[in-house]
Amino acid sequence: RKEVEQDPGPFNVPEGATVAFNCTYSNSASQSFFWYRQDCRKEPKLLMSVYSSGNEDGRFTAQLNRASQYISLLIRDSKLSDSATYLCVVNRNQGGKLIFGQGTELSVKP
Amino acid sequence: DAGVTQSPTHLIKTRGQQVTLRCSPISGHKSVSWYQQVLGQGPQFIFQYYEKEERGRGNFPDRFSARQFPNYSSELNVNALLLGDSALYLCASSRTGGINTEAFFGQGTRLTVV
Repeated sequence: RKEVEQDPGPFNVPEGATVAFNCTYSNSASQSFFWYRQDCRKEPKLLMSVYSSGNEDGRFTAQLNRASQYISLLIRDSKLSDSATYLCVVNRNQGGKLIFGQGTELSVKP
Repeated sequence: DAGVTQSPTHLIKTRGQQVTLRCSPISGHKSVSWYQQVLGQGPQFIFQYYEKEERGRGNFPDRFSARQFPNYSSELNVNALLLGDSALYLCASSRTGGINTEAFFGQGTRLTVV
């Protein structure tokens, strides 16, 4: 079993739709949590950190449930430019070692 | 300010050869990490260096080695290349490498082993 698991993709949604990604992590020692975005054949870029209290950045909302070891990302009013792979990432208090899920591909269609 | 720069961007090598990949972190960043990303998967941690010392090592064979120089740039070396080493190799830099420090990735080196 992988340490970070994500919903299998791809997700194909129309513009304006709301889409939710889920992620679970297996190691309860995980300390910090992130969502990264990766465009095709490009490098991953930090989308947002995820806090226990939940956090929002414009159309994006991230939630963390430590008891269930579950992380989510909600994208409202999807844009064509949101098409990318979304990577769930955890850090287990081992310095810079980021542990990535396999990613979920999102395709937003006109 | 320049972001994380990696060289070369693309590389084709033959099985059994050796390869060296290079990374220059963002100015002021002292931590460099290396990741391997095969098609369809998320990046996998290979090494982290901070202040020229190895701080972490992932589950990769001894054919993989790395080092960090006094100017904080880094090299990743892979010996005795296998077909399965074909992947995108990503370098990430961060100010301190701590658990909540944002990591910035370079554009990667795409290695093909034939």
